[in-house]
Amino acid sequence: EDQVTQSPEALRLQEGESSSLNCSYTVSGLRGLFWYRQDPGKGPEFLFTLYSAGEEKEKERLKATLTKKESFLHITAPKPEDSATYLCAVPRGAGNMLTFGGGTRLMVKP
Amino acid sequence: EAGVAQSPRYKIIEKRQSVAFWCNPISGHATLYWYQQILGQGPKLLIQFQNNGVVDDSQLPKDRFSAERLKGVDSTLKIQPAKLEDSAVYLCASSYDRETGELFFGEGSRLTVL
Repeated sequence: EDQVTQSPEALRLQEGESSSLNCSYTVSGLRGLFWYRQDPGKGPEFLFTLYSAGEEKEKERLKATLTKKESFLHITAPKPEDSATYLCAVPRGAGNMLTFGGGTRLMVKP
Repeated sequence: EAGVAQSPRYKIIEKRQSVAFWCNPISGHATLYWYQQILGQGPKLLIQFQNNGVVDDSQLPKDRFSAERLKGVDSTLKIQPAKLEDSAVYLCASSYDRETGELFFGEGSRLTVL
């Protein structure tokens, strides 16, 4: 069964303190790994798609990377507005349905 | 471009009562999803539609949950009778087609079952 595990569950950073979030997965035949951001009281918002090991994508202070077993979301010099829950997901089944991990709740203090 | 619309935003009911949620996807999006998100967890897929046909409903508790997508546009998700464990946020999402993993989510409908 396809599984997606994210760590840590919660992460507190000071503004400017860089760190990484982890997403490990077990799927048969990866067809992409997706990162989403979710603000409180909102639905998830798409950030990145990664398809192959070694691929990297960047957006502002965020950079996502992919290996054969896991993905990292690196956040460089975070700001308080980066505080959110970050979710990763992999598609499964013929319908390409996304299976989400439990998320990492990031809190950035000024 | 208008986003995914959901209503109601909040609903409080007693156990064994029924509730219905409505979703209007982004215009032109063929694929529609309903997810359940329990507090502190990631979203869990309940059902996926392609136009007005069901692609996957393997995780939908069919003894109490039902969903339909009439005319391939709007969708409703119904729970009858509700249980305490159904307390969650019900998220609707849409995508241009089912090949993409870029989903557009609504703000969700928060259900509290007392």
